[in-house]
Amino acid sequence: QQQVKQSPQSLIVQKGGIPIINCAYENTAFDYFPWYQQFPGKGPALLIAIRPDVSEKKEGRFTISFNKSAKQFSLHIMDSQPGDSATYFCAARGYGGSQGNLIFGKGTKLSVKP
Amino acid sequence: DAGITQSPRYKITETGRQVTLMCHQTWSHSYMFWYRQDLGHGLRLIYYSAAADITDKGEVPDGYVVSRSKTENFPLTLESATRSQTSVYFCASSETGDSPLHFGNGTRLTVT
Repeated sequence: QQQVKQSPQSLIVQKGGIPIINCAYENTAFDYFPWYQQFPGKGPALLIAIRPDVSEKKEGRFTISFNKSAKQFSLHIMDSQPGDSATYFCAARGYGGSQGNLIFGKGTKLSVKP
Repeated sequence: DAGITQSPRYKITETGRQVTLMCHQTWSHSYMFWYRQDLGHGLRLIYYSAAADITDKGEVPDGYVVSRSKTENFPLTLESATRSQTSVYFCASSETGDSPLHFGNGTRLTVT
């Protein structure tokens, strides 16, 4: 199974800081890279996604940066808030694949201190 | 708008017992999925279904059985539970194979 490697496992920042979560993949045939956010006791929910034809995508305070040559992508959270405290999962899916081919990273637990 | 509902929320069972986890969605989404979430492993796909009566294996299907006789339901059965199947199980659905996943709130299963 192709892997998606996510780091760090956990992250603590102060309110207003900019946490950055990184993911790296091996398979150049991936064409869709979503990020999911999960709060305790809840299922993951899609936060933001990017395709490899763009290098950056921004939605509100959340930005994905994508480096196709390095096979890496990262999530930046601007002006982080305590309410952003959650576990974040990156994922990748192969060309022409369905969500049945989505491969998740192992997750990053983010804590934003007030 | 119930969305996607999993039951039970918590389940404790003994090794060797059969247990079924239920998943129901109200959107008439074509695709449904079962994942397990374990510390250090993230989310791993067990089985998925592209439509009623069509199912396919994911990354970790051994020890699990699924069926999908109706579009809205996708039960997951552990035929003979083992301790290694202690996990949090998430059901998800998507409108098409290309659209975002919508997850339920999970079932925490403990096998003693």
